[in-house]
This record gives sequence, structure tokens and C-alpha cells, in this order.
Amino acid sequence: DAGVTQSPTHLIKTRGQQVTLRCSPKSGHDTVSWYQQALGQGPQFIFQYYEEEERQRGNFPDRFSGHQFPNYSSELNVNALLLGDSALYLCASSWQGASYNSPLHFGNGTRLTVT
Amino acid sequence: GQQVMQIPQYQHVQEGEDFTTYCNSSTTLSNIQWYKQRPGGHPVFLIQLVKSGEVKKQKRLTFQFGEAKKNSSLHITATQTTDVGTYFCAGRAAGTASKLTFGTGTRLQVTL
Repeated sequence: DAGVTQSPTHLIKTRGQQVTLRCSPKSGHDTVSWYQQALGQGPQFIFQYYEEEERQRGNFPDRFSGHQFPNYSSELNVNALLLGDSALYLCASSWQGASYNSPLHFGNGTRLTVT
Repeated sequence: GQQVMQIPQYQHVQEGEDFTTYCNSSTTLSNIQWYKQRPGGHPVFLIQLVKSGEVKKQKRLTFQFGEAKKNSSLHITATQTTDVGTYFCAGRAAGTASKLTFGTGTRLQVTL
């Protein structure tokens, strides 16, 4: 039973560039949430996708966008990269069903470095 | 917006000592979850509390949810080196179904 998989594991980009991060949820899960974790801090909620729609969004600018595909996998896109976007980007999947209380299963993350 | 703070930020204990981390939310929570993140790893779900005043135990770990559903604690009895990591609480504000807000975390270091 595959867990949450993210790619790539590491990425180095230059300021102003664009990046796409990918996530495949755990088998049986239908919801994907994206979090940004700066070094030494807690994960910060970016947004959540369910049924291919963005259901809720955290306090992140429009440079951060996403998509969910019919197979529940998801992408996170960040445009016009800033140095401050350097962080670990975590994807978490869950099964919503009739409950919003499902625990999150995290992937290993993508370490993004912006130079 | 909702804020979730944890204290202490960091604690260093000798193996066998007890450890407690406290979690406080600026808003009433519908539920609270606890996660553990090992160094270099990703957060791993430990437990969820839903009811006011709820107490749950997992071996040496005891989790409590406050009566007002705005605070929570995690207590580890007789720490072991395997307990090393950062412990995060994460809560959903009442009325906001999907957004799980993580706390600032408490990093635990255990030495022999």
C-alpha cells in the first residue's frame, strides 16, 4: 500500500522562475492538502483540493496555485519565485468522505531552494 | 486569523525524565490532532481528540483536550531516545471544516 509520494525530492531554482511540485495521495484518499514548512517552524497551510476544486486557501499570494486531477493526484505551482519561498513543501492526503476530521498522511516533501 | 502556539519551543531532558508540551489556540477548536516529526522527516499523525475534556493514552503518551476546547497537552512519561523529534498540535477552528492549522511545535531532545 503506497503512501503519499512527492516529486521531486529536491529542487534548486532562481528568483523569478516558476516551479511545479507533484503529489500522489495514499491509496484510497481523495483529498490533498499542501503545506509550506520553513526551517524550524510548523507547517503553514497553503490550500486543499477535493473533487478537483480548491476547497480552502491559507494566507498565500496568488503566485501559489494548484490543481487536482481525476485520479486525485495534485500539483502545486509557484510563479515568480522569491528567496522567501525556500522551504520544505509538504503534501498531505486524507479521506474526507462524510467527515472533515480525517488525519493527514504526509509525504516526504520537496525541499525547494531559491537562489 | 487563527493562531496556535506551543510551549516550550525546545526542551532537553535526560532519558527517563518526563516531558510535557502545551498547545493553545486563539479560537475554539472542533478537534485537535497531534503529530510527531523526526529530524529530517515528515509529520506523522499520533492521535485526534474531539470531545471537551477528553483524555487519551498511547503507552507512555497522554493527550488531553481542554474543557473549553482551546488548549491541549501532550505528556510523555519516562522519555526514551526514540521520543526525539518535534511535536506539533494541529487544530480545526469550529466552523472551518477543512483548514488544519499547525502549532509552532516543541522540539524534544533526549540524551542518555
